[in-house]
This record gives sequence, C-alpha cells and structure tokens, in this order.
Amino acid sequence: AQKVTQAQTEISVVEKEDVTLDCVYETRDTTYYLFWYKQPPSGELVFLIRRNSFDEQNEISGRYSWNFQKSTSSFNFTITASQVVDSAVYFCALRGTGANNLFFGTGTRLTVIP
Amino acid sequence: EAQVTQNPRYLITVTGKKLTVTCSQNMNHEYMSWYRQDPGLGLRQIYYSMNVEVTDKGDVPEGYKVSRKEKRNFPLILESPSPNQTSLYFCASSLAGFSYEQYFGPGTRLTVT
Repeated sequence: AQKVTQAQTEISVVEKEDVTLDCVYETRDTTYYLFWYKQPPSGELVFLIRRNSFDEQNEISGRYSWNFQKSTSSFNFTITASQVVDSAVYFCALRGTGANNLFFGTGTRLTVIP
Repeated sequence: EAQVTQNPRYLITVTGKKLTVTCSQNMNHEYMSWYRQDPGLGLRQIYYSMNVEVTDKGDVPEGYKVSRKEKRNFPLILESPSPNQTSLYFCASSLAGFSYEQYFGPGTRLTVT
C-alpha cells in the first residue's frame, strides 16, 4: 500500500518568515519517487521537484529547499523568506515501482500574509 | 508550447445528461491519466492509459469511461452524471515510466445539479 500524509491542513505565516511543509509517506517499494506540486489560487498544478528513493541529498532551488529522510519516511519542503506569491496549496505525491498513478497527500494550504 | 489542454474549463449540467471532457497533449507522451480533486481528499486517480488502446481503472472509476484512440487525446466520459461527480477534474500526461513527473492540464470544474 502507498500513502502520503500531509498533516498540516493550513498554515499562515507573515511575509519573510520561513515555513516548512511536512510530508510523510508509506510504501513497501524499495524504489520510488517523491514529488511536490504547487497549486496557486488560479488552480493549475505546477511541478516543483522530483526525488528518487536512492538520493537522500537535500536540494535547494532559490528560496525552496527539500529535506528527504528515508529513516523517517519524510520529504519536507521549506520556503525561506516567504512571499505573498508563495500562497498556494502544496501537494506531496508518491509513485512506486510499477505503480500506475501518483498517490497524493491531501495538501497543505499556505497563506503568506503581507 | 508544451502543454496539456482540457475543455471545457467550466461546466454546469444536470443529472443524467451525458457529457465529455476532452484532454489533449502535444508532448508525445505515452502515459495519460484523469484525476478528480475534492476538498480534504487531495487528488484521486479515475482512469489511466499507458498507450493507445490501453486503459485501466484507477482508484475511483465508477461512473466514468475513457478511451484512447489517438496518442494525444484522452477524453473523459460521464454517461449519466450525478451530483457526487461534482468536482475539479485534471488530465495529466507524462513519458512512460514511474520516474517521470506528470504534466497537468488547467482543470475542469464540473457541477452536476
């Protein structure tokens, strides 16, 4: 069985604060991929990052960083110095070997207050 | 521009009136899929297609049909819509293989009264 849990339903931060979005996953597969998608108020889904199960290096892209820890089955997403444009719903997703779909978490709604 | 398109973007219909939501991609992707998004439930897969003439059920296929006669198109058919199919629908495509990210269309908001 594959499952993704995003326990934080909604988060509000003041602009320029740092914020971390949590993602915990379950899978029996040894090879799998984790993804983060952003859904801004306009509604489209925007791909942010892909990480395979054999690569535990953290990744940084501008103000975004991702912390993958297999020991805790977590793939957390941090936004540094948040901006109003970061306001969106963020989804974590998992796809295992041979799986034919992405398993999505329920999403975290981030509101950045100016 | 590489993209996935869906039509219509918004649709209000009545119970029992057959409808089709079209999906088309211009990236020559083998894999295509339909998801529905409901509050508190995230996105759930309805149907997927690994290639032309190959389709299979996802997690919530009841009440839906699909077809894949051409590589670029993957329409979603609701033969007899019901109010519990009111949702936001997304079409997605990707290269074959589980490692590739999926590209999503803009979404179709469907209301069934």
